[in-house]
Amino acid sequence: SSELTQDPAVSVALGQTVRITCQGDRFRNSHASWYQQKPGQAPVVVIFGQDNRPSGIPDRFSGSSSGNTASLTITGAQAEDEADYYCSSRDSSGNQWGFGGGTKLTVL
Amino acid sequence: QVQLVQSGAEVKKPGASVKVSCKVSEYTLTELSMHWVRQAPGKGLEWMGGTDPEDGETIYAQKFQGRITMSEDTSTDTAYMELSSLRSEDTAVYYCAALQWERLTTAEEDNWFDPWGQGTQITVSS
Repeated sequence: SSELTQDPAVSVALGQTVRITCQGDRFRNSHASWYQQKPGQAPVVVIFGQDNRPSGIPDRFSGSSSGNTASLTITGAQAEDEADYYCSSRDSSGNQWGFGGGTKLTVL
Repeated sequence: QVQLVQSGAEVKKPGASVKVSCKVSEYTLTELSMHWVRQAPGKGLEWMGGTDPEDGETIYAQKFQGRITMSEDTSTDTAYMELSSLRSEDTAVYYCAALQWERLTTAEEDNWFDPWGQGTQITVSS
């Protein structure tokens, strides 16, 4: 099955904008969803669909996609955004779901 | 709002089986498509399997075929994931997660996992 590829680590200065990307060939049929995971906690969805945020997720989180790349953008990163971020999608065959390897975001 | 509460941590010997439960509240299990995801120490998320939201068929990740069984007890709104022939590499936190799903067109859909259970630590050690 196809894979989802993420950069292992990204850093951003406090208050600046950062984009976390996810590359794969699954996005023809569905948008990626994005999850934030802090140490010792279960993942939490931050973006789903084309660019939808669950209630309680700050509007500094946004999603987009172009071709084989899905992106999560944090505009004005805060210290509390420091976490691991994972993308996920169902594969084009419809038989398997999967996650990217995760990106560790450091807020400097 | 859906809540998922999982069973407690377990220690198992290599070759044994483990069965993890996931209790649904505020919704009924029949309204949900339940999936299981695991995370080994210091590693990323790994999808194990779940229910197809369109036809209700249980789908397993190819890696776990033959070793995993997912089941549901609708009378108690509890989902189960059983993994057999355990080995040390199965040491991980196991999560249940409800798959939300929306068909956009005949060819496109959106799906996402929300909410997640709190996780169950399974340790495989002799």
